[in-house]
Amino acid sequence: DAGVIQSPRHEVTEMGQEVTLRCKPISGHDYLFWYRQTMMRGLELLIYFNNNVPIDDSGMPEDRFSAKMPNASFSNLKIQPSEPRDSAVYFCASTLGLDNEQFFGPGTRLTVL
Amino acid sequence: DQQVKQNSPSLSVQEGRISILNCDYTNSMFDYFLWYKKYPAEGPTFLISISSIKDKNEDGRFTVFLNKSAKHLSLHIVPSQPGDSAVYFCAASVRYGGSQGNLIFGKGTKLSVKP
Repeated sequence: DAGVIQSPRHEVTEMGQEVTLRCKPISGHDYLFWYRQTMMRGLELLIYFNNNVPIDDSGMPEDRFSAKMPNASFSNLKIQPSEPRDSAVYFCASTLGLDNEQFFGPGTRLTVL
Repeated sequence: DQQVKQNSPSLSVQEGRISILNCDYTNSMFDYFLWYKKYPAEGPTFLISISSIKDKNEDGRFTVFLNKSAKHLSLHIVPSQPGDSAVYFCAASVRYGGSQGNLIFGKGTKLSVKP
């Protein structure tokens, strides 16, 4: 199994631009999570989906952030417009059922200038 | 307000000795605890977990201890190896009556094992 796949691995953009981060979960997993890691706040959950349906988006910081999961094989996280304080590493994770461990992707390092 | 705290940002240990990583939590509703390990440029990987009905769980060189009254858990690595050098994250959740999706992570402890 290829594991959780994220793209791009690195993204550098200018303030005000739209950013799209992509995630392909492990095949067969029914839960997908988006996390953000910063020095100040550590690793924090942004949103998670069950069977493509958003369950809890209380961690999404602002309306500038949105996430979708159009099918079981793909999710994206969009930031529009992006700001320098959005600079962080964004991780996607998936799991089969809530009782099992979450498998993380390698992350996308986002830098907003 | 941090619900899961790892007060030591870093720890350095000699190869072959014991590494002890600590984690404190404030939410008494947490009933499931996990440790994740993270190498640079990679995502966190699951290491070991413990349910609140236990006070110890062991897996090879890794043992997690839970002290519910003190709201404290620790990860012991014996013997430590250079390949264990990584950032270790403690995480907690309310698994029953809540949602494991809401994993709350500590900020991590960077372990360096010196040869």
